Amino acid sequence: EAQVTQNPRYLITVTGKKLTVTCSQNMNHEYMSWYRQDPGLGLRQIYYSMNVEVTDKGDVPEGYKVSRKEKRNFPLILESPSPNQTSLYFCASSLYPGNSYEQYFGPGTRLTVT
Amino acid sequence: DQQVKQNSPSLSVQEGRISILNCDYTNSMFDYFLWYKKYPAEGPTFLISISSIKDKNEDGRFTVFLNKSAKHLSLHIVPSQPGDSAVYFCAASAQANFGNEKLTFGTGTRLTIIP
Repeated sequence: EAQVTQNPRYLITVTGKKLTVTCSQNMNHEYMSWYRQDPGLGLRQIYYSMNVEVTDKGDVPEGYKVSRKEKRNFPLILESPSPNQTSLYFCASSLYPGNSYEQYFGPGTRLTVT
Repeated sequence: DQQVKQNSPSLSVQEGRISILNCDYTNSMFDYFLWYKKYPAEGPTFLISISSIKDKNEDGRFTVFLNKSAKHLSLHIVPSQPGDSAVYFCAASAQANFGNEKLTFGTGTRLTIIP
């Protein structure tokens, strides 16, 4: 089954404790992206990657890191989480950058930072 | 600065009637528009899209209308079914973002279909 998976689905952590949210897709998609969803703000892009080893900032990159060492994986790293990073996070992928605008989303990771 | 606006946070419609969800945008560079549907505890799923060279796109019960002069698009669902109850996000993209398929999302409208 074609899908984007994220782990964990739920996470409660404390300020400053490094964490990683994993994202994996099995569709051989080149483009991957991370979004956060906050009340009243919709979904906002954090980082994106057009291919292996090619990543760039989105609209709200502060406090986040990403890496793309393999095509299928695109982990989101919070080196020192803070309460303002409490949010619902979505990973997404699409077949080609600049071609397909239909992105496939993972199920989401709800993160709470206390 | 919210470039894509969905001014109705919620909408209730009787089963079998037409549901109309609205979306306004401010960025004249947007040239591709999409609607995503989201159920609780799931990620958004693509529903329908429209390019700025068209003013209407239809897919089964779903039709999207684009009025470029008014910077307005709408999603029509007819007839509405209970399974359509979900949050609907309007999203837009600009060709200038070639290579970064960044979607600018609205805040969503929660549609409830009343049996």
